[in-house]
Order: sequence, then C-alpha cells, then structure tokens
Amino acid sequence: EAQVTQNPRYLITVTGKKLTVTCSQNMNHEYMSWYRQDPGLGLRQIYYSMNVEVTDKGDVPEGYKVSRKEKRNFPLILESPSPNQTSLYFCATTSRLGPGNTIYFGEGSWLTVV
Amino acid sequence: DAKTTQPTSMDCAEGRAANLPCNHSTISGNEYVYWYRQIHSQGPQYIIHGLKNNETNEMASLIITEDRKSSTLILPHATLRDTAVYYCIVSAVSNDYKLSFGAGTTVTVRA
Repeated sequence: EAQVTQNPRYLITVTGKKLTVTCSQNMNHEYMSWYRQDPGLGLRQIYYSMNVEVTDKGDVPEGYKVSRKEKRNFPLILESPSPNQTSLYFCATTSRLGPGNTIYFGEGSWLTVV
Repeated sequence: DAKTTQPTSMDCAEGRAANLPCNHSTISGNEYVYWYRQIHSQGPQYIIHGLKNNETNEMASLIITEDRKSSTLILPHATLRDTAVYYCIVSAVSNDYKLSFGAGTTVTVRA
C-alpha cells in the first residue's frame, strides 16, 4: 500500500526550540515536497526535492530547511521556530515518470509554536 | 499554470449525483485538469485527472468541454463521507511538479 508517513502528527513547541518533522515514503518516488496550509491561504509549497541531494525552494521557504540524504526520507527542519510557523504541514511525493502524475500526501502534522 | 474558478460551496443530497463545476478559460494545450479533495484537514487525496477526453474511475467522472475551458467533476452517488473541500487544478508537467491549490469548493453531503 502506498504510504507517506509524517511524524509527529501533533506538536506544541516553544519559540526557538529546534524541531524536525520527518517524512517517509514507500513508493520509491524521486520527487518529494513540503507544503503548509493556513486558513484562507490554501496550500503553499515550502521546499521540494527532485532526487537525492537535490533540493530547491518553493514559495515560502523562509525559516525552514530540508535535506534529502536518502530517497525515501525528506525531513523538514525548523531551526528556530516562531509563532508564525504555527500551521498544518503536509509532505507530498510523486513519481517523475509520465505525464499527468498524481501527488500523494501524508496525513499532516499540526504544529503550534508558542 | 492556468487559474481556476470554482463555487465556494455547494450542498448535495446523499445518494444523489454531485456535479462540481470548474472554469479554466486560460488553460493551455499541455495543461491537465486535476481534481483532489481534502477531508477535514487530512492530506489531499487524488481523485481523477484528464487532458482532453472524459475520464472515469472508481471514484468519479470528469467531463471536459470540447474547448477545454471548463470541466465538471461528477460524484455519481454522493455519501456523507464525500463531504470535503474539492480542488480543481490545471497544471502542465513541469520540472517542479507543483500543483497550486486554490480555495476549492466545500461540498456538504446531507442525509
């Protein structure tokens, strides 16, 4: 079964305390990305990765870092979280092969920064 | 990527067909029409996509007009579990494979 697994699903943290949200996929997809979803703003892409060791900024990368050391994992790192990073985060993955690719999303990670 | 216009919300009776319209008048020849839905803050779920021809799968049917400027997603027999936000997206295959999710249509299926 195709799976995109995020952890943690829920987290309350304090300003400035580094945290990592992990994402793992079992579909051997090359492409992975992170989105955040905020009321009234829809889904906005934070970072994406075309393959191992290849990452690039999305629309809202400020305050985030990512790494792609292995194909299946794409962690999102908040070095010094701030309250404006309180949001619902989604990891997503898709294969590069063929047109009309579908994107598979994880179940989401609720992050609150106080 | 072309922009889309969807109604903000719509209601549907359980067991009836739900027809969700989407306008994409500036769609380009290489852009696909995708439909995703999001059930109460879960991860968005792929429903269907098409380029020119009508498409059907186990979840829904997609009707694309001949000029490709609009499309309709049809849920043939809506159930309460189909209550969700439905996103119509048009996108070409590009290097970043990013889909731009707008506000979508909030569909409420009522018993």
